[in-house]
Amino acid sequence: GAVVSQHPSWVICKSGTSVKIECRSLDFQATTMFWYRQFPKQSLMLMATSNEGSKATYEQGVEKDKFLINHASLTLSTLTVTSAHPEDSSFYICSAPTGKEQYFGPGTRLTVT
Amino acid sequence: EDQVTQSPEALRLQEGESSSLNCSYTVSGLRGLFWYRQDPGKGPEFLFTLYSAGEEKEKERLKATLTKKESFLHITAPKPEDSATYLCAVQARQAGTALIFGKGTTLSVSS
Repeated sequence: GAVVSQHPSWVICKSGTSVKIECRSLDFQATTMFWYRQFPKQSLMLMATSNEGSKATYEQGVEKDKFLINHASLTLSTLTVTSAHPEDSSFYICSAPTGKEQYFGPGTRLTVT
Repeated sequence: EDQVTQSPEALRLQEGESSSLNCSYTVSGLRGLFWYRQDPGKGPEFLFTLYSAGEEKEKERLKATLTKKESFLHITAPKPEDSATYLCAVQARQAGTALIFGKGTTLSVSS
């Protein structure tokens, strides 16, 4: 199947700082990518849709000024968590559709201290 | 409202003991139903996509089926390495290609 990578796989940052997470489609182009968040023992919740060449669309309740998304190219989307707080600690996962299927990255564990 | 419900929440099996996981869904026009496997601390691994009622797909010990209201993931003669959380997700026509996930079924297979 298709491969999606994320970097970093885990990150620890101090409260008030910003963190950037990268999502890359390695063997296909993706005009759209999705960002999900998963809390322990919970399901994946869609945060936003990243669109190449246009603004991201955010799900209700997700602060667009806090979670900045940039779809820089057909193979790269970035999520920046600005002014991170402990409640932002979570598992962030990106996905990209190709054809009728959708592939997920390995996830990024963010811990804010 | 589009919704996905998975049951049971957790399932413990002995090696070789076959069983089924259930995924019930309500969606305004089903574009596709997806099954993923997720190991702790990792992203979901794609297993199957089903598109219409009556469709079935198989991969090794796993078989997925779809009706108009639910999907089943049948596990035949499971092995300990099948232990994982199995996630079901739907793609609705109005939602573009974003997926709506259930909470998952955590499967533990003991030898």
